[in-house]
Amino acid sequence: QVQLVQSGAEVKKPGASVKVSCKASGYTFTSYGISWVRQAPGQGLEWMGWISAYNGNTNYAQKLQGRVTMTTDTSTSTAYMELRSLRSDDTAVYYCAREAYGGTGTTVGFDYWGQGTLVTVSS
Amino acid sequence: DIQLTQSPSFLSASVGDRVTITCRASQGISSYLAWYQQKPGKAPKLLIYAASTLQSGVPSRFSGSGSGTEFTLTISSLQPEDFATYYCQQLNSYPPLTFGGGTKVEIK
Repeated sequence: QVQLVQSGAEVKKPGASVKVSCKASGYTFTSYGISWVRQAPGQGLEWMGWISAYNGNTNYAQKLQGRVTMTTDTSTSTAYMELRSLRSDDTAVYYCAREAYGGTGTTVGFDYWGQGTLVTVSS
Repeated sequence: DIQLTQSPSFLSASVGDRVTITCRASQGISSYLAWYQQKPGKAPKLLIYAASTLQSGVPSRFSGSGSGTEFTLTISSLQPEDFATYYCQQLNSYPPLTFGGGTKVEIK
């Protein structure tokens, strides 16, 4: 069965960096893109960006450009999201999610999600 | 960026009620809209994609409709396990892929 298993909770100081991993299993990793979505405490969902597990192409949300990097390691079927220069408003649960494709091959949603990783930014 | 506005942001309903949630897009997105259900402490779950296609394994009491700028998610007969927060998401134009602000469905 398809599973996305994320790394554990992190506590970071302002200005530091965090790297969250998302290990995929149960499907051909390079056949699907991965998006990262975050959710601040008590708030809604915010899309952070996307990476193609096939060729490593990325698309980032403009507000995070320059602070976020998404990568994959196809040898271990793992996706990574690194966020730098952390601020208190980066405190959130971070999710990885696999793209779902419609009949024409377009992305129609996210059908599998990781369990979430809480990142707390506090001095 | 395309903005998605959900209404209501909160609703109180009873088991067995018919519930409708609306999602309006700031510009036309054809049928590139998905709906998710999220329970506290859990990841979102895909319910509907392409505005009206039920994701595999999702109960048939959930349905979606709409195209262009106005969409609805309907639960025909609310069950105890349906009390959750629901989000719409547009996939027509990105980056960014945007979500609506959410609708929390609580027990009356």
